[in-house]
This record gives sequence, structure tokens and C-alpha cells, in this order.
Amino acid sequence: AQSVTQPDIHITVSEGASLELRCNYSYGATPYLFWYVQSPGQGLQLLLKYFSGDTLVQGIKGFEAEFKRSQSSFNLRKPSVHWSDAAEYFCAVGALYSGGGADGLTFGKGTHLIIQP
Amino acid sequence: DARVTQTPRHKVTEMGQEVTMRCQPILGHNTVFWYRQTMMQGLELLAYFRNRAPLDDSGMPKDRFSAEMPDATLATLKIQPSEPRDSAVYFCASGPGQSQSEQYFGPGTRLTVT
Repeated sequence: AQSVTQPDIHITVSEGASLELRCNYSYGATPYLFWYVQSPGQGLQLLLKYFSGDTLVQGIKGFEAEFKRSQSSFNLRKPSVHWSDAAEYFCAVGALYSGGGADGLTFGKGTHLIIQP
Repeated sequence: DARVTQTPRHKVTEMGQEVTMRCQPILGHNTVFWYRQTMMQGLELLAYFRNRAPLDDSGMPKDRFSAEMPDATLATLKIQPSEPRDSAVYFCASGPGQSQSEQYFGPGTRLTVT
């Protein structure tokens, strides 16, 4: 069975500082990996995704993530955070359905990002 | 700007009552997912459909939950009878079912069972 671990429940970062959110996955085949962001009371917005190819993927809002197969990791990074980045961040893994597209996703428990002024 | 819509956005009901949540996927998407979010369990996949056929509902409590797609524009999740432990936010997501495609999430239905 697939699983996702986000080891940091909370992270506090000063505005303007760099950010790295950790994600480790367990999956028996080639994983499809995603990062979503959720603001309070809102749905989930996709930040970026990895299916294949270049292991460094760029997303929206200045985020990027690097897929490292040897470490089973897909960490999310941002060089300089803004107060508006405060939110809950979820890493997810999915399988490829044989007919195309991803199956249902398995999510990590999330990392709550706090931005200090 | 195409979006997944969910109704109602909030629902408060008493234990034992039937609850029906509705989802309208993005037009043209052939895959629909139901997730539940709680503080304790986080986000869990309940069920999903492709071309209106159920593919996987292993995450759903079978005795009280049921999910259907009466047509391509409507997915429903029903709980009967509801229990306090069903209190959660229920998300619907849809996807185009193509290779390397992602899921688009609706705003969720916040269910409170008293």
C-alpha cells in the first residue's frame, strides 16, 4: 500500500526566508507526486506535480520541488516566503490508472506553515 | 474559469438523519473522487468513479455510505444514518482522465452531526 509521510506538523519561517517542506513516500512502482496547498476554510489548490522527466519541477507561486527516487522524497521549496504563503501544505502520491490519468490520491497529514513578520 | 462545485457548503444535522452531498464535476471530466478530511485522519479517499462507473470504494464505510453518479454532471455521496463520527469536510474532485492529469478539488462540504 502506498503512503506519504510529512514529518513536520508545523513549521515557522520568517518572511523573506527560504522554505523547505519535507515529503517522503512509499510506493511500489513509479509514483505520481503532487503538492497541494489549503488555506483556512478553502479547498485544495495544486502547486505542482511530478509524473516523469526532469526531477526538478516548477509550480505556481514561486514553488519548486525535487523528486529524489533514491531517497523516496519529494521536498517542496521556495527561496523567499511571503506572508500570504501561510497555509496547510499537503504532499500526495497517486498511481497511474491503466487507461490514463491518476487514481485516487494518498495524502500526507500536512504541514502547517506559519510566517513570522 | 471551470470549477468543481459542491452543495451544500455547510450542513448541520442530527444523528440518525440522512445526509446527501452533491458534486458537479468540471464539464468534460470523466473521473470523480470523494475525499474526507478530519483532524485525526487527515485526507482520505472514500471512492471514485470513471465514466460514471465506480472503480474503488474501499475507503468508504459500506454500511452507511453510498456514492453514485446519476449522470455525468452529478455525483452524490449519501450517509444514512449519520453519526457524530461522520463530522468532517467532504471534498469532491474531478479529473480529465488523461495521462499526467491532476485532480481539481471543490470547496468542500462541512458536515456536522450532533
